[in-house]
Amino acid sequence: GQQLNQSPQSMFIQEGEDVSMNCTSSSIFNTWLWYKQDPGEGPVLLIALYKAGELTSNGRLTAQFGITRKDSFLNISASIPSDVGIYFCAGGPNFGNEKLTFGTGTRLTIIP
Amino acid sequence: GAVVSQHPSWVICKSGTSVKIECRSLDFQATTMFWYRQFPKQSLMLMATSNEGSKATYEQGVEKDKFLINHASLTLSTLTVTSAHPEDSSFYICSAPGGGKTQYFGPGTRLLVL
Repeated sequence: GQQLNQSPQSMFIQEGEDVSMNCTSSSIFNTWLWYKQDPGEGPVLLIALYKAGELTSNGRLTAQFGITRKDSFLNISASIPSDVGIYFCAGGPNFGNEKLTFGTGTRLTIIP
Repeated sequence: GAVVSQHPSWVICKSGTSVKIECRSLDFQATTMFWYRQFPKQSLMLMATSNEGSKATYEQGVEKDKFLINHASLTLSTLTVTSAHPEDSSFYICSAPGGGKTQYFGPGTRLLVL
């Protein structure tokens, strides 16, 4: 099945640093969602984007829906140890409550 | 946010046996649920869409006779892996659309087939 391309694949940063990751697609999506997955658990929704060009924040997280509807980015400011995990973008054809296409994931590790 | 549960959280079975995994929406109703499979260090891949009151819709390459889906009620969908083999060992995750325009995921079920 189709997957969205996420980059970088992995990141090693120090606590307090900012993080940026992005997600690109060859096709258009009308909804972009960002999830975080901890080991052995299901994904947890971080931010949902429904409109091209939309910029949305959730605490230290900021995500944008690309104007072409083929990409999105997620920024995390002032990273903390609990930010460790795998971040997935997901594209939805319409409203995000339909079947999703997931990105390849970005694994974030924080170096003490 | 809306809560989705899965049972069991992990299961170990012998090759050739069948395993049933339940997905429940605890505080909302879901006419549609989705089943995903995730292999180690990989992303989630959609297997099928479970529809309450009608047949499930399977993604290309997913054997419907091997992965039986039953959406018994507005809060319960089950995935049965029939005649499981070691290559079916994976992390199975369900999701359900919650209120609004998003969906919520269950905690996953880890299946190990010996």
